[in-house]
Amino acid sequence: KNEVEQSPQNLTAQEGEFITINCSYSVGISALHWLQQHPGGGIVSLFMLSSGKKKHGRLIATINIQEKHSSLHITASHPRDSAVYICAVMNRDDKIIFGKGTRLHILP
Amino acid sequence: NAGVTQTPKFRILKIGQSMTLQCTQDMNHNYMYWYRQDPGMGLKLIYYSVGAGITDKGEVPNGYNVSRSTTEDFPLRLELAAPSQTSVYFCASSYSTGGTEQYFGPGTRLTVT
Repeated sequence: KNEVEQSPQNLTAQEGEFITINCSYSVGISALHWLQQHPGGGIVSLFMLSSGKKKHGRLIATINIQEKHSSLHITASHPRDSAVYICAVMNRDDKIIFGKGTRLHILP
Repeated sequence: NAGVTQTPKFRILKIGQSMTLQCTQDMNHNYMYWYRQDPGMGLKLIYYSVGAGITDKGEVPNGYNVSRSTTEDFPLRLELAAPSQTSVYFCASSYSTGGTEQYFGPGTRLTVT
């Protein structure tokens, strides 16, 4: 079993829909990252969380440390949000472990 | 700032050839990383460095070597390329570890045939 599991693996939605991507992990962590990988391949960091909730524009990330779970939400989704979203955790040994990613496709 | 730059963007190697993937960052970050990304798989850490002169193995170091002679540069060397090394390689840097943001380069797509 992977230490970081994301769901769903693939998601297709209509423009305007509310999107939720989930990340569950099985190790103790010091931080959790959400990354976005564009269709061209570039990777950018969206959020770094150690507790609670963060918001940036239409993106919201939450983490529940007790349940070892994080969610990434996108409100009013747009075709430009189409990308692969990657969850990564930093374990207690400062090693980063990546999920396999969720491929999101927003239809106009 | 250019951020993290990688060269080349694409490369095709024959089995047994060697090459160096270049990575440079201009953010004065101490921490630098090399990852590989295989289709359908998560990023895997190859090597990392916590500062000039210090490197350490990640999850998948076999077949690779690194050096860190300056804060800015962190080249990845492939010796005796094998088809299993066909992948997309990403370099990244961060100010610190743990709860700090990593900045990624644009990637190098390598094919070994």
